Amino acid sequence: AQSVSQHNHHVILSEAASLELGCNYSYGGTVNLFWYVQYPGQHLQLLLKYFSGDPLVKGIKGFEAEFIKSKFSFNLRKPSVQWSDTAEYFCAVRGNNRLAFGKGNQVVVIP
Amino acid sequence: GAGVSQSPSNKVTEKGKDVELRCDPISGHTALYWYRQRLGQGLEFLIYFQGNSAPDKSGLPSDRFSAERTGESVSTLTIQRTQQEDSAVYLCASSLTAGEYEQYFGPGTRLTVT
Repeated sequence: AQSVSQHNHHVILSEAASLELGCNYSYGGTVNLFWYVQYPGQHLQLLLKYFSGDPLVKGIKGFEAEFIKSKFSFNLRKPSVQWSDTAEYFCAVRGNNRLAFGKGNQVVVIP
Repeated sequence: GAGVSQSPSNKVTEKGKDVELRCDPISGHTALYWYRQRLGQGLEFLIYFQGNSAPDKSGLPSDRFSAERTGESVSTLTIQRTQQEDSAVYLCASSLTAGEYEQYFGPGTRLTVT
């Protein structure tokens, strides 16, 4: 079965700082990888996804993620965060028609 | 268009009672998924439907949990004889079909068992 590890569950940073959230997955088949975001009071929405092709994936709101197969990683980055990026971020891997999620990163951006 | 909707948004129930949670997927989406998120945990897969059949029920935590789906429409997750450890947010998602398609999530039902 697939699994996902996310570290640094609570991240606090100032506006304009750079953000990187780590994601490591375990799955023996063809991977589809996702980052979902949950803003306060809202439901989960897709930030970006990787199915195949260019391992550097760009998503909404200036986020990007890089798939590194040799490291089983799919880290999320944003060069300069804003207060509105305060949210919980979840990495997920799909296998066997289900998503396996990490425990999430709670990110707080201080104005 | 309309997204995935779930009802109720909040449910408080006494230990031992049965509860039913409802999910309305996006129109035209043939695949429907149920997940659970307990406090401080990531989302756990429970079950998915392709049409009204459930090829994978392996995530259901016990035989107190069951789910059904009418055609390619509404799904109901039923928890019988609720226990305190069932307290969680129950999330529903739908996708165009099972496979390489994005899953769209609903707002969830927050279940509290007292």
